[in-house]
Amino acid sequence: GAGVSQSPSNKVTEKGKDVELRCDPISGHTALYWYRQSLGQGLEFLIYFQGNSAPDKSGLPSDRFSAERTGGSVSTLTIQRTQQEDSAVYLCASSWKERSGANVLTFGAGSRLTVL
Amino acid sequence: GENVEQHPSTLSVQEGDSAVIKCTYSDSASNYFPWYKQELGKRPQLIIDIRSNVGEKKDQRIAVTLNKTAKHFSLHITETQPEDSAVYFCAARNNNAGNMLTFGGGTRLMVKP
Repeated sequence: GAGVSQSPSNKVTEKGKDVELRCDPISGHTALYWYRQSLGQGLEFLIYFQGNSAPDKSGLPSDRFSAERTGGSVSTLTIQRTQQEDSAVYLCASSWKERSGANVLTFGAGSRLTVL
Repeated sequence: GENVEQHPSTLSVQEGDSAVIKCTYSDSASNYFPWYKQELGKRPQLIIDIRSNVGEKKDQRIAVTLNKTAKHFSLHITETQPEDSAVYFCAARNNNAGNMLTFGGGTRLMVKP
């Protein structure tokens, strides 16, 4: 597709359940980011993948959160044993490095997670 | 790693006035500084960017300035309109962290008609 696709767009789950959020970046984009955004708040960095390099996981808030990127394309963010404070919009973004050195980041529409 | 501070967190202006949002960064090796606009309920989108070899860039009512010595950059919006109301995020790219973009905390701009 032409943009970054995320699924599901909305997910309601019960506390304690595991959830998986998927991101399909723009074809050819080597960099992929996951952010979390609570209502009215900023972009909380979670994890960054760049090509074949080891991911930067420094933003993951706890060991209940993990992410992988298979084949340098699709990424899955997994939250285990969800808690109510995990409720937020999870945004994925991808980019490729222009020759000029810019990172033009394209965001997906986000996955809204609600933990009851 | 890179740290980006953004001020103010909220800004309210009258339609037609100018708005200025300021950001500072910590890593002198950063060389690319984009600005993203996020309208209510929508995804952030790039509105303008500047590279470290340029001091100023303009695009119609929007301009960005960069002071490498002081490690700060600013977004200027002139003749503000109600549709400029949104959250604006600055960011810096850190060459020493695998080209990762680091975002500021965001500024909620409200333009009152």
